[in-house]
Amino acid sequence: GDSVTQMEGPVTLSEEAFLTINCTYTATGYPSLFWYVQYPGEGLQLLLKATKADDKGSNKGFEATYRKETTSFHLEKGSVQVSDSAVYFCALRAKTSYDKVIFGPGTSLSVIP
Amino acid sequence: NAGVTQTPKFQVLKTGQSMTLQCAQDMNHNSMYWYRQDPGMGLRLIYYSASEGTTDKGEVPNGYNVSRLNKREFSLRLESAAPSQTSVYFCASNEFGHSSTDTQYFGPGTRLTVL
Repeated sequence: GDSVTQMEGPVTLSEEAFLTINCTYTATGYPSLFWYVQYPGEGLQLLLKATKADDKGSNKGFEATYRKETTSFHLEKGSVQVSDSAVYFCALRAKTSYDKVIFGPGTSLSVIP
Repeated sequence: NAGVTQTPKFQVLKTGQSMTLQCAQDMNHNSMYWYRQDPGMGLRLIYYSASEGTTDKGEVPNGYNVSRLNKREFSLRLESAAPSQTSVYFCASNEFGHSSTDTQYFGPGTRLTVL
């Protein structure tokens, strides 16, 4: 079945460090791919998305590129801030089950000053 | 717009007690979802409703029931709570079939403890 795998962390970085959170997926066809972010005590909110191969999603300095050949959607940011401390979820929405979203386990990020 | 609202925010139950978690959205979305979030498990889908009047089981439906009361409201009921149901519960909605939006909107969550 459809699934999402991502590094679980926790990840601890110093402010202004480079961030990569790996995400790979298994799905039939070409799903839409998402990164959601959850700040402490809150629900999830969409960070960025890509709906077809080679698309790049970007928001708030974060980027991810839809790589069909490696079935990956890695999240990157060039310089993290303390305010980026949160849990990040990779997710997919398969074309064959369009009404459901499959989430990865989440990666906890802590950024220290 | 309030988005997705959930009540209550916190709840403590004793084993065997029942309760209903309420969820409402004001975005006129067709699809609504209930998830539970547990440490190391990510989000797991309990039930979802693709449209008013329809509900379907997700990954972990045992011990839960749902009601899609109308287009706005989707409730989750625990008939006889068990400690294994201690979790954070999130309601979400989106507009099924509209890839231009293609975003799930989440409520703030209900933190449930079953003793």
